Amino acid sequence: EAGVVQSPRYKIIEKKQPVAFWCNPISGHNTLYWYLQNLGQGPELLIRYENEEAVDDSQLPKDRFSAERLKGVDSTLKIQPAELGDSAVYLCASSPQGHNTEAFFGQGTRLTVV
Amino acid sequence: QQQVKQSPQSLIVQKGGISIINCAYENTAFDYFPWYQQFPGKGPALLIAIRPDVSEKKEGRFTISFNKSAKQFSLHIMDSQPGDSATYFCAASIESRRQLTFGSGTQLTVLP
Repeated sequence: EAGVVQSPRYKIIEKKQPVAFWCNPISGHNTLYWYLQNLGQGPELLIRYENEEAVDDSQLPKDRFSAERLKGVDSTLKIQPAELGDSAVYLCASSPQGHNTEAFFGQGTRLTVV
Repeated sequence: QQQVKQSPQSLIVQKGGISIINCAYENTAFDYFPWYQQFPGKGPALLIAIRPDVSEKKEGRFTISFNKSAKQFSLHIMDSQPGDSATYFCAASIESRRQLTFGSGTQLTVLP
C-alpha cells in the first residue's frame, strides 16, 4: 500500500512569491491534515479535512495561506505571498474513517524562503 | 499555549541502555496518547499509543507508562539500539476531534 505522497520534496523561493504544495493521501482515507513543522519543534496543525470539507482551519493564517481538497482526495496548500518566517517543513497526513486519531504522515515539503 | 510538554530535549544513551522520555499534559479531556518516531528527512511515524483506561502498554522494546492523576506519560525504550537514534514526539488528542497536539520532541542518540 502506498503511503502519503507529497511534492515537491524541497522548494526554495524568494519572499513575496507564491508557492504551492501537493498531497495525495492513502487511498480510502477520508481525513486529511496539513501540519507545519518548524526546525526542532513538533508538528502544528494548520487545517483538517473530512472528505472535501475543511472542518478545522482555526490555525491557518488565512491572509496568506489557502488550501483545497477537491473531490475529497488530493489536496493543495498555497502560500501567497511567502514570507521569510514561512520557512519550515509542511507535512501532510491522512487517517482512515473511524480509526480515531492515528495519522499517517508523508515525508513533507521543506520550504526555504530567501 | 503549550498543552503537551516534553523532556528532555536531547538524550544520549549507550547501546543496550534504557531510554526514557517524559511528557506532561494539561487538558484532562485528552483521551489518546501516541508516540511518534521521526528520522531525518522523513515524516513522523506512529510508534505506540495508549488510552487512559490502562496504565501501561508494551510493544516489543517500547513501553508507554501512563499516570492519569499526574497527567504524565512516558516512553521507555529497552535495550536501546543505534537504529533507534531519531527524534521522538509525544502527542495527545481528543479522539472525537481527531486533532493531535504534539510535544516539542526529543532527539535520541544511541551510541554503539
